[in-house]
Amino acid sequence: GQNIDQPTEMTATEGAIVQINCTYQTSGFNGLFWYQQHAGEAPTFLSYNVLDGLEEKGRFSSFLSRSKGYSYLLLKELQMKDSASYLCAASDSNYQLIWGAGTKLIIKP
Amino acid sequence: SAVISQKPSRDICQRGTSLTIQCQVDSQVTMMFWYRQQPGQSLTLIATANQGSEATYESGFVIDKFPISRPNLTFSTLTVSNMSPEDSSIYLCSVEESQDYNEQFFGPGTRLTVL
Repeated sequence: GQNIDQPTEMTATEGAIVQINCTYQTSGFNGLFWYQQHAGEAPTFLSYNVLDGLEEKGRFSSFLSRSKGYSYLLLKELQMKDSASYLCAASDSNYQLIWGAGTKLIIKP
Repeated sequence: SAVISQKPSRDICQRGTSLTIQCQVDSQVTMMFWYRQQPGQSLTLIATANQGSEATYESGFVIDKFPISRPNLTFSTLTVSNMSPEDSSIYLCSVEESQDYNEQFFGPGTRLTVL
C-alpha cells in the first residue's frame, strides 16, 4: 500500500532550527512536496524535490533521498509565524498526491 | 500562480439537506480536485473533477453523495448531499497548473457544520 509517515507534533524555540522528517512508500514516485498550513487556512506550497539532494529556499530547505524513501524539511531562524502544520505529500506513478497526516509545529518564545 | 476562490466560505446546515460549494479559478487549468479535511486531520481526496466528463472518485466516495460538475476549465462545483453531522469538515478545491510537475494550489476552503 501507499503510506506517508511524519511526526504528529514538534516543538521548537524561536530563533532555533527544526527538522521535520517524512518517509514515504508509494507505487512509483514523481516527486515530494511540502506544504505549510496555518490553522483555519488552506495549504500553501513550500517546496518540491524530485532529485536527491537539498533544495534551499531562504530560511526553508528540503531534502530528498529516493533510495531511502525519505525527505525532511529544515526550518532555520524560526519565527513565531512559522507555527503551523507542515504536510508532506508524495506524487505516485499516476501523479496523484499521497498526503501525510501533517506535523503540527509549535514555536515557543 | 492561479487565484482560486470558493463560495460559501462557511455554512451551517441541517441534517438531510444538501449544500453546493463553488470553486472558481482565474485561469484555465487542466486538473481540479476536491478534498475534505476534518479537524486535526490531513487532506483526503474526494475526487478529480474532469472537464466535460464524470468526475473520478476515490475509494469511499460516491457520486450520489458528492456529485461534482466541471462545465469548463475555470469552474467546478461539489455538492454534499443528504448531509449528516459526519460531513462536518473543511472542503477544499485545488488546481494543478504546471505541466512539469503536479504542484497543487488550494482554494481558501469551505467550512461546513452540519447540525
